[in-house]
Amino acid sequence: EDQVTQSPEALRLQEGESSSLNCSYTVSGLRGLFWYRQDPGKGPEFLFTLYSAGEEKEKERLKATLTKKESFLHITAPKPEDSATYLCAVEAAGNKLTFGGGTRVLVKP
Amino acid sequence: NAGVTQTPKFQVLKTGQSMTLQCAQDMNHNSMYWYRQDPGMGLRLIYYSASEGTTDKGEVPNGYNVSRLNKREFSLRLESAAPSQTSVYFCASRADPRGAYNEQFFGPGTRLTVL
Repeated sequence: EDQVTQSPEALRLQEGESSSLNCSYTVSGLRGLFWYRQDPGKGPEFLFTLYSAGEEKEKERLKATLTKKESFLHITAPKPEDSATYLCAVEAAGNKLTFGGGTRVLVKP
Repeated sequence: NAGVTQTPKFQVLKTGQSMTLQCAQDMNHNSMYWYRQDPGMGLRLIYYSASEGTTDKGEVPNGYNVSRLNKREFSLRLESAAPSQTSVYFCASRADPRGAYNEQFFGPGTRLTVL
């Protein structure tokens, strides 16, 4: 059974204080690892897809990396508008995603 | 493009009542999905439809039924609502299940309370 664990559950940062979110996974035959951002009261919004160990992708202050067992989402010099819940999901076979519980990030000015 | 739309946005039901959640996408996507999101449990897949005319169970299908009405629409039905079905329901769509790693696009959600 595919499993995804995200840590920490919640993260409080000062504006400009860089940090990383972790997504550990157990899956047979990873086809892709997905990162989403979710604002309160809204649906998840796609950020990145990573396909193989060693791959990295960046978007503004966010950078996602992938190893064989985990993925990191690095937030560099965050701003208050980066406050959200960040979700990680994996896809193995079968056209289905398995999501982790998410990390709630609060960036204070 | 509206993307993925869901109706209603909010709903309150009494135990035993039935209702259908509607979802539509205008992106010509092949696959559609229904999830529920509960505090601390992330998103859990209820049912999905890889392509028009097919549906499959996800992780938590009990108490739900689905209909892929056409390529655009995918509905979720609660035949006899229970308090345990109080949740936020999200619909999502994806271009091609056979494609390489394309992302799912999510709707705004339906917030359902069962009393």
